[in-house]
Amino acid sequence: SQTIHQWPATLVQPVGSPLSLECTVEGTSNPNLYWYRQAAGRGLQLLFYSVGIGQISSEVPQNLSASRPQDRQFILSSKKLLLSDSGFYLCAWRVNGQDNSPLHFGNGTRLTVT
Amino acid sequence: ILNVEQSPQSLHVQEGDSTNFTCSFPSSNFYALHWYRWETAKSPEALFVMTLNGDEKKKGRISATLNTKEGYSYLYIKGSQPEDSATYLCAPRSGAGSYQLTFGKGTKLSVIP
Repeated sequence: SQTIHQWPATLVQPVGSPLSLECTVEGTSNPNLYWYRQAAGRGLQLLFYSVGIGQISSEVPQNLSASRPQDRQFILSSKKLLLSDSGFYLCAWRVNGQDNSPLHFGNGTRLTVT
Repeated sequence: ILNVEQSPQSLHVQEGDSTNFTCSFPSSNFYALHWYRWETAKSPEALFVMTLNGDEKKKGRISATLNTKEGYSYLYIKGSQPEDSATYLCAPRSGAGSYQLTFGKGTKLSVIP
């Protein structure tokens, strides 16, 4: 069966520090991968998605970047965190090639920028 | 970005009561609607993916209906149980080109034993 791992679960970082959140998927190949963020009082917002290794699409301009160095690895990064980067970050995958396949989410990372 | 409204924002029901809540979305260029359940300290879990006007889907005591012409979906829970306590998210998708879901803020359901 497929599983998705996301870490760390919680993170407290000072403003200006770098960020690296990692997500890996097991039990499937060539998944579509997604990073979402939930800021306080808001719905889940799509940040990045990837349909293959090295292929990254950004949905909103921001202080963050994403990379997919391996088929089942998706990394969210920042060189310098802002206070507004605080939020709950969720990684998700879905089956590639199935038009309306649902998203499968990780357990999320609670990021607090101080 | 679609304008997605979920109502109510939160509700409390007694165990055994049935309940329902609403997801409203733009009807133009509709492609699909997803429902997810998000329990505290867990990850969101897919409930339904609905595509056709008039669709009705059921999973145990939970069911959902879809009206694409007027742009709404109802989620029903029959005989609520404490384990149904969660935030229920809807996410419409517009257009076939890109898989982008626009999530509502959710309806937080608390079932009181």
